[in-house]
Amino acid sequence: ETGVTQTPRHLVMGMTNKKSLKCEQHLGHNAMYWYKQSAKKPLELMFVYNFKEQTENNSVPSRFSPECPNSSHLFLHLHTLQPEDSALYLCASSQDQAGASAGELFFGEGSRLTVL
Amino acid sequence: KNEVEQSPQNLTAQEGEFITINCSYSVGISALHWLQQHPGGGIVSLFMLSSGKKKHGRLIATINIQEKHSSLHITASHPRDSAVYICAPWGGGSNYKLTFGKGTLLTVNP
Repeated sequence: ETGVTQTPRHLVMGMTNKKSLKCEQHLGHNAMYWYKQSAKKPLELMFVYNFKEQTENNSVPSRFSPECPNSSHLFLHLHTLQPEDSALYLCASSQDQAGASAGELFFGEGSRLTVL
Repeated sequence: KNEVEQSPQNLTAQEGEFITINCSYSVGISALHWLQQHPGGGIVSLFMLSSGKKKHGRLIATINIQEKHSSLHITASHPRDSAVYICAPWGGGSNYKLTFGKGTLLTVNP
């Protein structure tokens, strides 16, 4: 238990569906991240939020839409995805943006997404 | 070409064996993380080190900044050590981003 909770753990959706992934942390951290992990590929950073402000969008397609209503919650809204978007989506948090490397990064268990 | 290379990609060992996983990187770094990912998907940070060696239980991590190389050792391996081990160097300063290796899948058989 890392203190970062992701729901749902598994999600199957069609290409026309709209769904959302949720991440919650009660560690008092101010930075939150979405990562994508595809089979046999390194983790890819998607989005970074620092004090609720988006500070990084790593050229992610617009069919992925993040939302950070407060420092404890992070969402990833999914719309008209493609089968190649099937992957494990991991949320992480750190004390602040610099803390991701200077300190520690806390990961959730991930949401396994399958797009049919 | 990935800036971070891990070897081996897959490793199978018998319980009790000494394990070594290597990480080489091409970028200049200030520190490096070793992460552990269990089959369920969750990732746990094992170490962050910028020089020398760190030890935590049966795990030992070493780094040589000049040679751009780090190793993770597991002594007296156990089936519960079976996981993917990921090396993640950090460039330092205001560059908060981590660069990730593809990971090494370790399977320890009883």
